[in-house]
Amino acid sequence: AQKVTQAQTEISVVEKEDVTLDCVYETRDTTYYLFWYKQPPSGELVFLIRRNSFDEQNEISGRYSWNFQKSTSSFNFTITASQVVDSAVYFCALSEAGRGYALNFGKGTSLLVTP
Amino acid sequence: ETGVTQTPRHLVMGMTNKKSLKCEQHLGHNAMYWYKQSAKKPLELMFVYNFKEQTENNSVPSRFSPECPNSSHLFLHLHTLQPEDSALYLCASSQGSDRTHGYTFGSGTRLTVV
Repeated sequence: AQKVTQAQTEISVVEKEDVTLDCVYETRDTTYYLFWYKQPPSGELVFLIRRNSFDEQNEISGRYSWNFQKSTSSFNFTITASQVVDSAVYFCALSEAGRGYALNFGKGTSLLVTP
Repeated sequence: ETGVTQTPRHLVMGMTNKKSLKCEQHLGHNAMYWYKQSAKKPLELMFVYNFKEQTENNSVPSRFSPECPNSSHLFLHLHTLQPEDSALYLCASSQGSDRTHGYTFGSGTRLTVV
């Protein structure tokens, strides 16, 4: 069973629009971590954020914000006022205590921001 | 400079060839990983090394052979591959076995098997 579901395969927006990338996870562990990574066309995965299961505070970093909701097992990512440089594939990932914290990735959401 | 360097960036090989992928990290990490990224599929963890010792092998076919001579270097030796092995191979490192801080990834090697 897929542990991390990113239902949106591709999203296309026009620059300056806000966009939310969805992530739903599945775990029975009480201790786990959630991550978002960005993969630009160059290929490397760039770490964006880490969240542990005991901290449901939402986080904002510049134009990026994350909404962690344990009640719905979701960890959604919003980009405000999107820019062309935000075009990339974004991956949500889960690491669970019961699995030695190995990173389990979703299939990714490809975001295209056009001028 | 990502701290994790992979070479070559691109590789085309025949099914009877033998080649190696190289990964080097300059972060002082002592856990290293190989991931496979195929089109339309999640990243798949292949191998895990902690302090040069292999601690995980996720049912990877024997035509993929990892080697970790020290904590800074990781190789993936390839032989008699199949076309379905064509993918982006990503190397990553983390601080010890504490994966809770996530990984640092390299840019990957784009492998095409013909």
